[in-house]
Amino acid sequence: GAGVSQSPSNKVTEKGKDVELRCDPISGHTALYWYRQSLGQGLEFLIYFQGNSAPDKSGLPSDRFSAERTGGSVSTLTIQRTQQEDSAVYLCASSFDFGNTEAFFGQGTRLTVV
Amino acid sequence: KNEVEQSPQNLTAQEGEFITINCSYSVGISALHWLQQHPGGGIVSLFMLSSGKKKHGRLIATINIQEKHSSLHITASHPRDSAVYICAVRSGSEKLVFGKGTKLTVNP
Repeated sequence: GAGVSQSPSNKVTEKGKDVELRCDPISGHTALYWYRQSLGQGLEFLIYFQGNSAPDKSGLPSDRFSAERTGGSVSTLTIQRTQQEDSAVYLCASSFDFGNTEAFFGQGTRLTVV
Repeated sequence: KNEVEQSPQNLTAQEGEFITINCSYSVGISALHWLQQHPGGGIVSLFMLSSGKKKHGRLIATINIQEKHSSLHITASHPRDSAVYICAVRSGSEKLVFGKGTKLTVNP
């Protein structure tokens, strides 16, 4: 596609349920990043992928969070047993390569845990 | 103390004014990014720079590596420039570390 696509754009879920957030990067981009923006807070790093592998998972808040990427393309961020503090906008970005290259962001998924 | 500090936190200007947003960081970096986030939430990358100065239209970004400081300037500001401007640095790993953003409102 023309840009980074994320789905769903909005998700409301009940506390304790699992959710899956999807990111479709720009075709050909090898680097994929997940970030989170909580209400009133700045962006925080969650995880990045180099191809299908995730060299840095240091930003994942807890073991309820996991992510995978298949075929060097689509990535899924899964949150198990959601908690209210998981409510945030989850942003995905991709770039052609690593190092100092421009990152292109998706519109984000707004997750609300009730 | 955050690794990336932005100032001001909020900025209101009249259309046509010259705008400056500042970013200071405390770590060695390989690159600094300026991002724009509109009210709808979408983020656009404005600049990526590791030295000197870059210009795109009415936007100018500068960086001083020795002083660990960058500025984003907007000339002849317009209401459509109203957005949150975010400074982010990359320091040896792939992840970006973000400032908390500067909310700019340009009134007609």
